Amino acid sequence: ETGVTQSPTHLIKTRGQQVTLRCSSQSGHNTVSWYQQALGQGPQFIFQYYREEENGRGNFPPRFSGLQFPNYSSELNVNALELDDSALYLCASSSNPGQRNSPLHFGNGTRLTVT
Amino acid sequence: QKEVEQNSGPLSVPEGAIASLNCTYSDRGSQSFFWYRQYSGKSPELIMSIYSNGDKEDGRFTAQLNKASQYVSLLIRDSQPSDSATYLCAVHSGNTPLVFGKGTRLSVIA
Repeated sequence: ETGVTQSPTHLIKTRGQQVTLRCSSQSGHNTVSWYQQALGQGPQFIFQYYREEENGRGNFPPRFSGLQFPNYSSELNVNALELDDSALYLCASSSNPGQRNSPLHFGNGTRLTVT
Repeated sequence: QKEVEQNSGPLSVPEGAIASLNCTYSDRGSQSFFWYRQYSGKSPELIMSIYSNGDKEDGRFTAQLNKASQYVSLLIRDSQPSDSATYLCAVHSGNTPLVFGKGTRLSVIA
């Protein structure tokens, strides 16, 4: 089975620009979660999508938005980029993240640098 | 606010020794506990999960959970230089998102 794949792997953007990150979920998984990991920190929950609907959101401003498509792939969009948005963005898919037998498996991440 | 606390390290151990990594959590209702390993510049990789009090062994790794003390640990026996990485503790409560600690950096010295 294919794992979680993310694109692009690296990205450099200028403050004020917009960015779209993409994630293809693991086969059979209907839930996608996005996390932001700043340097030296643990991953911070951004939001989660289940069957194309957002069903959980962390403490991130509205300029962080997302989509999930019928094939369960997902996008993370960030508008009006700020320097502090520089981080590793992680996507994880699961079949049911609320259940104990469904831990999160992350993709390789997208490293975003905002200058 | 649910919190997961880890000593940031670095924790240095000689090759062949036992590395002990610790984690405490604030939500007494937490049900699932995970350890992830993260190499520099890479994404976190799940290495252990534990759901019940006691020990769970998988190869050189042993996870220990004490819900009364809200404490979970990871022991790495016969530590190897390839074990040098940041170890992230993560905790799950029902349908809430996985909450991560900041990670402990482990350095195994050859």
